[in-house]
Amino acid sequence: EPEVTQTPSHQVTQMGQEVILRCVPISNHLYFYWYRQILGQKVEFLVSFYNNEISEKSEIFDDQFSVERPDGSNFTLKIRSTKLEDSAMYFCASSTSGGGTETQYFGPGTRLLVL
Amino acid sequence: QKEVEQNSGPLSVPEGAIASLNCTYSDRVSQSFFWYRQYSGKSPELIMSIYSNGDKEDGRFTAQLNKASQYVSLLIRDSQPSDSATYLCAVKYNAGNMLTFGGGTRLMVKP
Repeated sequence: EPEVTQTPSHQVTQMGQEVILRCVPISNHLYFYWYRQILGQKVEFLVSFYNNEISEKSEIFDDQFSVERPDGSNFTLKIRSTKLEDSAMYFCASSTSGGGTETQYFGPGTRLLVL
Repeated sequence: QKEVEQNSGPLSVPEGAIASLNCTYSDRVSQSFFWYRQYSGKSPELIMSIYSNGDKEDGRFTAQLNKASQYVSLLIRDSQPSDSATYLCAVKYNAGNMLTFGGGTRLMVKP
């Protein structure tokens, strides 16, 4: 069964450093998402991406964040200058379309720790 | 602001019993509702989706939706210890394709 994959599974970085989180969505999916979950808190939407552009973003997704689809398979989330509060689990998800009834399938996540 | 609310639990049920998980949401302009299961340290895994008022059954799981009351629930029949996890309710509103998650209900099924 196809699944979303993410790398790395864990990342430790120093405050102020740039990190890039990578995702390979399910191959026939067209919509891609990033969510994050701070330990013990809700899963929070960051951004959705379709046709090589951002289709929707939350207030969390400020200028420190960017997304890119650098090739036909990868989807990346970049955090330019990490802060302590960026420590969280970051989930990539994908869906076949953006329609209201479409299911989003989540990857295993990248646990980011900012020191 | 759109909110999705769940009782954090833990909800403890004996093996073989029915577990009932509830979720309320704040905005009437809602389209789709999803139940995800999340084991500790893992990613959300879809259990069921529901879009229309009424019940939807899939194996041991039944989702119930009441849009007038802004309420969605998940029933798990014949609960098993392996069902012990946090159950996340997620809502997709008409405007946009983002999911808004509740805080989750932790379910513990005791052998």
